[in-house]
Amino acid sequence: NAGVIQTPRHKVTGKGQEATLWCEPISGHSAVFWYRQTIVQGLEFLTYFRNQAPIDDSGMPKERFSAQMPNQSHSTLKIQSTQPQDSAVYLCASSSPGQGNERLFFGHGTKLSVL
Amino acid sequence: QQQVRQSSQSLTVWEGETAILNCSYENSAFDYFPWYQQFPGEGPALLIAIRSVSDKKEDGRFTIFFNKREKNLSLHIKDSQPGDSATYFCAASASSGSWQLIFGSGTQLTVMP
Repeated sequence: NAGVIQTPRHKVTGKGQEATLWCEPISGHSAVFWYRQTIVQGLEFLTYFRNQAPIDDSGMPKERFSAQMPNQSHSTLKIQSTQPQDSAVYLCASSSPGQGNERLFFGHGTKLSVL
Repeated sequence: QQQVRQSSQSLTVWEGETAILNCSYENSAFDYFPWYQQFPGEGPALLIAIRSVSDKKEDGRFTIFFNKREKNLSLHIKDSQPGDSATYFCAASASSGSWQLIFGSGTQLTVMP
């Protein structure tokens, strides 16, 4: 079991460019969560999917951020027109059926740096 | 306004001592409280959790004490080891709502040998 896989580990973009972050949940897990981590704001919830369906995106900035889960083996977080304040570690987590949010398995994260 | 608050940004203890990390929350609907441990360069990992129907949860050297009336809880790490040095996050959620976990800002624990 390789755990939750996030790629790339580091991404550097210029201001105004697009960034796509990838997450492969643990096989068999039915829920996928996205969080953003910064020193100032800590761990912020962005969105989550259950059985590939978007359930709660209340933490997603309404402009420029979007998340998808086209199949059970991966999810993407896309940030359009990146800004320096988007610089953060983006964490993906998954949980097994029946566990809900009781045990989240996090990936190592993607560190996004917007210059 | 922080819904989950960890009062100490950092804590240093000596090896063998008991480390006590505190957490408080605002929302009375919260009924599930996990603690996550995070090492540098890694994602957080679940350490131990408690539900609001209990006032204590123990797992090895780790114990959560929960006070529903006061809306606070604490994580006690007995016989602290240098390998326990990490950042600890208190989190909360309401079982009646979204699976969203609200995290505190974290306490960085350093255990000195």
